[in-house]
Amino acid sequence: EVLLVESGGGLVQPGGSLRLSCAGSGFAFNYYAMNWVRQAPGKGLEWVSGISGRDGTTYYANSVKGRFTFSRDNSKNTLSLQMNSLRVEDTAVYYCARQGYGTYWYIDLWGRGTLVTVSS
Amino acid sequence: QSVLTQAPSVSAAPGQKVTISCSGSSSNMGLNYVSWYQQFPGTAPKLLIYENNKRPSGIPDRFSGSKSGTSATLGITGLQTGDEADYYCGTWDNSLSGVVFGGGTKLTVL
Repeated sequence: EVLLVESGGGLVQPGGSLRLSCAGSGFAFNYYAMNWVRQAPGKGLEWVSGISGRDGTTYYANSVKGRFTFSRDNSKNTLSLQMNSLRVEDTAVYYCARQGYGTYWYIDLWGRGTLVTVSS
Repeated sequence: QSVLTQAPSVSAAPGQKVTISCSGSSSNMGLNYVSWYQQFPGTAPKLLIYENNKRPSGIPDRFSGSKSGTSATLGITGLQTGDEADYYCGTWDNSLSGVVFGGGTKLTVL
């Protein structure tokens, strides 16, 4: 079965750090670019970051640039999102998402999400 | 404020057709393909349409997509109560070097 499973969410104080993980299975992990997309409670989707399949080139939304770091370990089929200097507005469900294979951006596989709550 | 613009809500009767619009700019939809996602409350989004008008395996042909210039449209025919969900458009933005989504449209099937 093709799956993405996120972990690592939880409650953290403003200014704190958290590391999210995502494990992929059932597909050729290293062939695919991957993304993190978040959704604040009651709000729409917001793209957070993307990483290419082979060379690990990363892209970040302006709202997280300099605070979040996206990395991957193709030998373990895992992704990591290191989140530092967290703010209340970072509170959201974070989805790990596989980018469709090819030139153009779209997401063809989503994880179930992990909730991050930033609050004092 | 989302970079791509969608109407917050749309409604139609069962069996009817509805269209959901997504408006962007020359740096995003004017240069790149659009994808559409369906999301039910409490669940992850699901891909409905990619590269403007292609349907993934398993998506019924009641769902269709089109794009013209900097605007895109998702069409749903033969509406069913099970189609009640939030619908999002998304694409790459060359100026931002990142992905942009619409704010989402909530579909109500009356």
